[in-house]
Amino acid sequence: AQRVTQPEKLLSVFKGAPVELKCNYSYSGSPELFWYVQYSRQRLQLLLRHISRESIKGFTADLNKGETSFHLKKPFAQEEDSAMYYCALLYSGGGADGLTFGKGTHLIIQP
Amino acid sequence: EPEVTQTPSHQVTQMGQEVILRCVPISNHLYFYWYRQILGQKVEFLVSFYNNEISEKSEIFDDQFSVERPDGSNFTLKIRSTKLEDSAMYFCASNPGPTSTDTQYFGPGTRLTVL
Repeated sequence: AQRVTQPEKLLSVFKGAPVELKCNYSYSGSPELFWYVQYSRQRLQLLLRHISRESIKGFTADLNKGETSFHLKKPFAQEEDSAMYYCALLYSGGGADGLTFGKGTHLIIQP
Repeated sequence: EPEVTQTPSHQVTQMGQEVILRCVPISNHLYFYWYRQILGQKVEFLVSFYNNEISEKSEIFDDQFSVERPDGSNFTLKIRSTKLEDSAMYFCASNPGPTSTDTQYFGPGTRLTVL
């Protein structure tokens, strides 16, 4: 079965410092990977997905199939980046499969 | 910008009672989902719905759960006889398609408390 691991429950960095949120997955096929973000009192929203290979709000993530990782990075953290970040995997089981989420990392950007 | 809406935002019920959680997906979306998140745990997939029928369901989605799309706008999750362990946040999501792998857009959630 597929699994997503986010090893850090909490990550605190200073404003302007680089950020890396770790995500590892286990899945035997070709997964689609996503990062969702949940700001305080707001809904889950898509931050980025690996197939689009774009940078959103300065964040990037590269799928590394050899290491089965999809780490989220930003070179210079901003206070508004403080939020819960969830890595998620979608596998193609034939139907409309649901996302498999990691437990999430709470990112706190200190001024 | 259109958003998925869910009602109520918080539901309190007694153990053994039936509850219906309501969702209005984004208009013209094709795929619909329910997820739940027990406090302190990860978001878990329950069920997906496409073309007026269940497409996929997880092990959590047992006989006490059911989903309906009774009209062109609502998507409901019914829990027939609630248990204490059903207390959780329940999220609805919709996906515009045309494929099942397109982006899922989430609602704000309904907090269900079973006493």
